[in-house]
Amino acid sequence: SQQGEEDPQALSIQEGENATMNCSYKTSINNLQWYRQNSGRGLVHLILIRSNEREKHSGRLRVTLDTSKKSSSLLITASRAADTASYFCATAVGWGKFQFGAGTQVVVTP
Amino acid sequence: SQTIHQWPATLVQPVGSPLSLECTVEGTSNPNLYWYRQAAGRGLQLLFYSVGIGQISSEVPQNLSASRPQDRQFILSSKKLLLSDSGFYLCAWRTSGTSGVRGANVLTFGAGSRLTVL
Repeated sequence: SQQGEEDPQALSIQEGENATMNCSYKTSINNLQWYRQNSGRGLVHLILIRSNEREKHSGRLRVTLDTSKKSSSLLITASRAADTASYFCATAVGWGKFQFGAGTQVVVTP
Repeated sequence: SQTIHQWPATLVQPVGSPLSLECTVEGTSNPNLYWYRQAAGRGLQLLFYSVGIGQISSEVPQNLSASRPQDRQFILSSKKLLLSDSGFYLCAWRTSGTSGVRGANVLTFGAGSRLTVL
């Protein structure tokens, strides 16, 4: 089974709205990462949050981490059509290995 | 600068034919390299990873193999493709510090190779 599980599986919003997606994981982590994938392309790293951090911001992105619940959330504020993509959380499992969830597909309509 | 290349970008192969997907990285030495497969609308499944030349770890038993003949080259192969081998194959290498957090490791992905087995 996947180390990270995102929900919802799909999200449809209008431009200007906020998009929130969640990730749950099973084992202890050093950090949790979020990646973005445009259709038919490779993944791009967005943001990393360490296990001793609770919240992190990068531009319009806000990530939270609750290690007691083994969960994280990614918030995209003031979404744009260009934010349409799939978003994945990833955790390091063992040395140098990363496991990804199934992703949340976000569609932002003008 | 550090870059990663994958080819071919798309491939349509008949069942039973061989496969070779290639990945090369530039601008770094001794990278950790990874092959992932992504089924349509699904997450990523780690197939192989390599910490150095000739060192390959397989994550799941399957019809595929990987090789690392040179420091910055990672090849995914099959002798006889199955229908179930269809998917989007992604090569990645492990970088550090790109998130701005000292000592953190993140993955940088290639553009992917889409394989359709008919």
